[in-house]
Amino acid sequence: AQSVTQPDIHITVSEGASLELRCNYSYGATPYLFWYVQSPGQGLQLLLKYFSGDTLVQGIKGFEAEFKRSQSSFNLRKPSVHWSDAAEYFCAVVTSFYSSASKIIFGSGTRLSIRP
Amino acid sequence: GAVVSQHPSRVICKSGTSVKIECRSLDFQATTMFWYRQFPKQSLMLMATSNEGSKATYEQGVEKDKFLINHASLTLSTLTVTSAHPEDSSFYICSAPNRGQGGTYEQYFGPGTRLTVT
Repeated sequence: AQSVTQPDIHITVSEGASLELRCNYSYGATPYLFWYVQSPGQGLQLLLKYFSGDTLVQGIKGFEAEFKRSQSSFNLRKPSVHWSDAAEYFCAVVTSFYSSASKIIFGSGTRLSIRP
Repeated sequence: GAVVSQHPSRVICKSGTSVKIECRSLDFQATTMFWYRQFPKQSLMLMATSNEGSKATYEQGVEKDKFLINHASLTLSTLTVTSAHPEDSSFYICSAPNRGQGGTYEQYFGPGTRLTVT
C-alpha cells in the first residue's frame, strides 16, 4: 500500500533563511505527489504537484519541490522564508490522477515555525 | 478555479445531539467527495468516500452508523455526526475532485468545520 513519511515533526528556521522539508513515499508505480499548506484552523492550500515530466516542480509562494525516484523523495524547498510561511505542511500521494475516486494519502505533517 | 465550501465553519453542540455538516462544490459537479477528520496537531485521516446516488464507502474503523453520509446531488454531500460525544470534537474537512486539463483530477478542499461537543 502507498504511504507517505514526513520525518520532521517540527522545524524552526530564521526569517530569510532557506528551507527544506522532507518527504518520502512508498509506492510501487509512478506516484502522483503533492505538497499542501495549512494555516491554523484553515483548510488546505495546494502548493505544488508532480505527476510527470520535469522532476523539479515550481509552485506558488516561491516554493519548489524535486522528485527523486532513486531516493523515493519529494522534498519541498524555499530559498528564503517569510514569517507568513509559518504553518503546517503536508506531503501527500494519490495513486491515480485519472480517477475521481482515487484517495489522497497524507503524511503526518511538518510544523514550520519562523524565528524573527 | 474550483471552489468547495463547507457549512457551518464552526459548531458547538451538546453531547447526545446530532449535527450536520454540508460540503458543496460551487462551480463544478462531483460524483465523489471525501470526508476527513483532523485532530489537533495531527494529519488528515480519511473517514469515508461519498458517492452520489449510492452508499458511502467508509474507511476501516469508522462507524458508519455514527457518521452518516448522504450525497444527495452532484454538488452536495452531507456528514451527520449522530449522538455526538466529546471525543467526536475535531476539525472535519471535505474535498471534491474536479477534472481539469488532460483529463486529470485535482482535489479541492473545503475550509473545514470545527466541531466542539460539550
